[in-house]
Amino acid sequence: KQEVTQIPAALSVPEGENLVLNCSFTDSAIYNLQWFRQDPGKGLTSLLLIQSSQREQTSGRLNASLDKSSGRSTLYIAASQPGDSATYLCAVERGSTLGRLYFGRGTQLTVWP
Amino acid sequence: ETGVTQTPRHLVMGMTNKKSLKCEQHLGHNAMYWYKQSAKKPLELMFVYSLEERVENNSVPSRFSPECPNSSHLFLHLHTLQPEDSALYLCASSQEFGVAGRRDTQYFGPGTRLTVL
Repeated sequence: KQEVTQIPAALSVPEGENLVLNCSFTDSAIYNLQWFRQDPGKGLTSLLLIQSSQREQTSGRLNASLDKSSGRSTLYIAASQPGDSATYLCAVERGSTLGRLYFGRGTQLTVWP
Repeated sequence: ETGVTQTPRHLVMGMTNKKSLKCEQHLGHNAMYWYKQSAKKPLELMFVYSLEERVENNSVPSRFSPECPNSSHLFLHLHTLQPEDSALYLCASSQEFGVAGRRDTQYFGPGTRLTVL
């Protein structure tokens, strides 16, 4: 069974800080890993998807890295803004159960002006 | 409308009621999903439909009954629910389900906040 853990559960920072959100997973035989964002009252939006053969993906101020051997991924947010406030969810897809995502509980991020 | 829509957005029901949640996707996708998001657990997959055929039933109690009449619509029929079923129910869709080599993701609706009294 795949278990996904996210640390910290909550984070509150002033605007402008660089942030690191952590995700760990127990089964390293993953197909891919995704980072999602969830705003209150809304569904999830995919931010970055890293295939198992890749080491990182970048989109604007976001950078996600993947280390399969250690079962870890980090989401780096540069120069944080109040608009980044949301819950960030990590999800992994296993090669043995394609299409099925295993989610962490998320990190609730608050960026204050 | 675009993307994935869900109705109603909020629902309060008694344990003896019967209600249905509706999901519609406007993306031309072939796979649709129901997820449950509660405060105590990570997001849980409930059901998956691929090309209108149920391909996953993640040990969900029979008081939850899904229906997929076509590739654009997905329903979740609810009856004799328990208070612990109160949660946010999310619908999602993707181009395909479980196909190796694809690089798509799942697109989520805003969810239905369900409260069972």
